[in-house]
Amino acid sequence: QQKVQQSPESLSVPEGGMASLNCTSSDRNFQYFWWYRQHSGEGPKALMSIFSDGDKKEGRFTAHLNKASLHVSLHIRDSQPSDSALYFCAASEQGNSNNRIFFGDGTQLVVKP
Amino acid sequence: VTLLEQNPRWRLVPRGQAVNLRCILKNSQYPWMSWYQQDLQKQLQWLFTLRSPGDKEVKSLPGADYLATRVTDTELRLQVANMSQGRTLYCTCSGGLGGGDTQYFGPGTRLLVL
Repeated sequence: QQKVQQSPESLSVPEGGMASLNCTSSDRNFQYFWWYRQHSGEGPKALMSIFSDGDKKEGRFTAHLNKASLHVSLHIRDSQPSDSALYFCAASEQGNSNNRIFFGDGTQLVVKP
Repeated sequence: VTLLEQNPRWRLVPRGQAVNLRCILKNSQYPWMSWYQQDLQKQLQWLFTLRSPGDKEVKSLPGADYLATRVTDTELRLQVANMSQGRTLYCTCSGGLGGGDTQYFGPGTRLLVL
């Protein structure tokens, strides 16, 4: 069973709109969460990390974590065409001895001009 | 700022032939180096983490066999053998070990099977 599940698989929003991506995990050992973004032909890039319950805002991006429900979300306001990419939710365990991060299957975001 | 260089960037691999990949670390503040694979469905999967020169690990996954070696403090290698399906291999680096360290990805090496 996939330890990190993302939804939706794909999402289309108009330029200037709000994009909301969701992620849930099935492993209560996960304590650390990230959102990564991957543009076509490039490696994934860490967008945001969130380790504590609540909201974390960085510019147009806001991540929300609820450890009790093992739910993480990412909200992108004022979406731009350059935000079009594959977004991954990722998680790791406390006391991770090998730097292993578990990734979800990704959400393909398309921002239409 | 580029933290990692990978080469080659892509390679056509005849079925049954092995291929050797290199990753060079450009910033010694991120000494923990790892390999991740991304399959054709874009799923990302951790393979190895190697810290010290001389460290070696092997692993067999559906579609390929792997041998990873930490050659020096700045160089990580991966040999991919018996590959039956294409994939992209990413080298990553991080500043520490223990759970909350961000993995920084290199540009990747894309492998296609002939």
